[in-house]
Amino acid sequence: DAGVTQSPTHLIKTRGQQVTLRCSPISGHKSVSWYQQVLGQGPQFIFQYYEKEERGRGNFPDRFSARQFPNYSSELNVNALLLGDSALYLCASSLVPGGEKLFFGSGTQLSVL
Amino acid sequence: GQQVMQIPQYQHVQEGEDFTTYCNSSTTLSNIQWYKQRPGGHPVFLIQLVKSGEVKKQKRLTFQFGEAKKNSSLHITATQTTDVGTYFCHNTDKLIFGTGTRLQVFP
Repeated sequence: DAGVTQSPTHLIKTRGQQVTLRCSPISGHKSVSWYQQVLGQGPQFIFQYYEKEERGRGNFPDRFSARQFPNYSSELNVNALLLGDSALYLCASSLVPGGEKLFFGSGTQLSVL
Repeated sequence: GQQVMQIPQYQHVQEGEDFTTYCNSSTTLSNIQWYKQRPGGHPVFLIQLVKSGEVKKQKRLTFQFGEAKKNSSLHITATQTTDVGTYFCHNTDKLIFGTGTRLQVFP
């Protein structure tokens, strides 16, 4: 079975642009979570989705948005990019939210110039 | 706000030495998870602890959950170079990862 897949793997954008990151969960997993990981720090929670509904949101500005599709895949959108948005964006899937172990994708490395 | 602190932030050991990382939460936890992230990789689930005072072992790794369910530890016996990476605890209630402990093992 395929694991969690994320695309693209690397992305370079300039300040003010918009970006869309994609995630496909493990087959059968209905919950997807997004994390931002700056170099040298732990993953910071951005969003959690379950059955296409937002179940949780971290302390990120409204420039960050996400959605989950009927096939449980998910997209993370970031508008008006800032230099500080440069980070590894990780997607994790689980069977359901709430205490289940997370399976992470390899991430999208975003560089904002 | 809620924080999950880990100490030490960084530790390097000689291969064969033991290693311990401590995780402390400002609030009581329902359960806690541990993940390992190799350099350049993504976090990989190691274990989940649920009960107060619980101890679980995985080969050379020993995980403990404090009696008050506000702290946890991961101990590695006789480290190997394959143990290199950053170890994170994870508060599943608030989806908060700890600050991490980066382990370097010298052969």
